[in-house]
Amino acid sequence: EAQVTQNPRYLITVTGKKLTVTCSQNMNHEYMSWYRQDPGLGLRQIYYSMNVEVTDKGDVPEGYKVSRKEKRNFPLILESPSPNQTSLYFCASSPQGSGANVLTFGAGSRLTVL
Amino acid sequence: SQKIEQNSEALNIQEGKTATLTCNYTNYSPAYLQWYRQDPGRGPVFLLLIRENEKEKRKERLKVTFDTTLKQSLFHITASQPADSATYLCALDPTNTGGFKTIFGAGTRLFVKA
Repeated sequence: EAQVTQNPRYLITVTGKKLTVTCSQNMNHEYMSWYRQDPGLGLRQIYYSMNVEVTDKGDVPEGYKVSRKEKRNFPLILESPSPNQTSLYFCASSPQGSGANVLTFGAGSRLTVL
Repeated sequence: SQKIEQNSEALNIQEGKTATLTCNYTNYSPAYLQWYRQDPGRGPVFLLLIRENEKEKRKERLKVTFDTTLKQSLFHITASQPADSATYLCALDPTNTGGFKTIFGAGTRLFVKA
């Protein structure tokens, strides 16, 4: 089944404890992206990647890092999480070259930072 | 500033009626606009895409219109069913550079009563 898989689905952590949210897709998509979703604010883009070793900032990149060493994986790294990073995170992917970016999303990772 | 606006109030309708959701945008000239469905605790799922040269697009009970003069898209669900209850998001690429920075509205919650 074509899908985007995120782990963990739920995580409670404490301020300052580094964590990584993994994202993997099995559709051979070039493009991958991370969003966070907060009530009333909708989905906001954190980072995106157009291909292996090519990443760029979205609208809210502060406090996050990403890497794209393999085409299928795009982990989101919080080096020193803070309570304002408590949110629902989504990874998404799409094939490029179609002229329109139709996204396939993962199921989401709910992160709580105490 | 640039933004996408969707009605933040929930839409409550009776089964069998047509639901109409609105997406307005300012300061953009998108080449296309997308609609996604999101169920509680899940990732958004792509429904329809409409391009700037298309006035209307249909898929089964769904219809989307795109008025680039009004800067508005309308999303219709005809013969609505309780299973259509979800949050519906509109999305566009503000840069028209391949969708790398797709942005989303905050969504409108639809409730269909049996």
